[in-house]
Amino acid sequence: GQQLNQSPQSMFIQEGEDVSMNCTSSSIFNTWLWYKQDPGEGPVLLIALYKAGELTSNGRLTAQFGITRKDSFLNISASIPSDVGIYFCAGIMYSGGGADGLTFGKGTHLIIQP
Amino acid sequence: NAGVTQTPKFQVLKTGQSMTLQCAQDMNHNSMYWYRQDPGMGLRLIYYSASEGTTDKGEVPNGYNVSRLNKREFSLRLESAAPSQTSVYFCASSEGGGPGIQYFGAGTRLSVL
Repeated sequence: GQQLNQSPQSMFIQEGEDVSMNCTSSSIFNTWLWYKQDPGEGPVLLIALYKAGELTSNGRLTAQFGITRKDSFLNISASIPSDVGIYFCAGIMYSGGGADGLTFGKGTHLIIQP
Repeated sequence: NAGVTQTPKFQVLKTGQSMTLQCAQDMNHNSMYWYRQDPGMGLRLIYYSASEGTTDKGEVPNGYNVSRLNKREFSLRLESAAPSQTSVYFCASSEGGGPGIQYFGAGTRLSVL
């Protein structure tokens, strides 16, 4: 099956620093999604990307759909304490019908030191 | 908006006990999903339902059963709980009719002793 390699697994940064994480696959995806999971909560959608090369921002978050369609990147600028959590990438491949298919990465744990 | 609601939020079971996790969505979505989340494993799909009346196995279906009661509700049943089923369980829904964005509930934290 499809697999997404998400890196890094965890990040320890200082408040105010910028953050970069990425997701790569051997398979091509048609849509890339980035979710954030706060401690004790379910994942919440941050950004959706639909076209190769697309660059989309949501406040301090910016995500890009890789040109090869096999990768995606998420950047967070000027991190703040509430950015703490687990960030998941997810890819969707259109298979011509049937149920929605979403493949998740294993997540990047972001820890911010004040 | 309530979105996806899961009950209970926490549960402790003894090995061999049974229980049903409930999930309901109010977004008129066609597709619903059950995942489990374990440390270092990410989210793994247990079962999904593409539409009312249909269910299919995901990556880790063993030990679980599901029921798509109606368009709104999708339940997950553990017939004989085992310690390996200690996990956080998430229900999700999507509009359906093809691949799409999934929206998640807050999770059920289950411990099996």
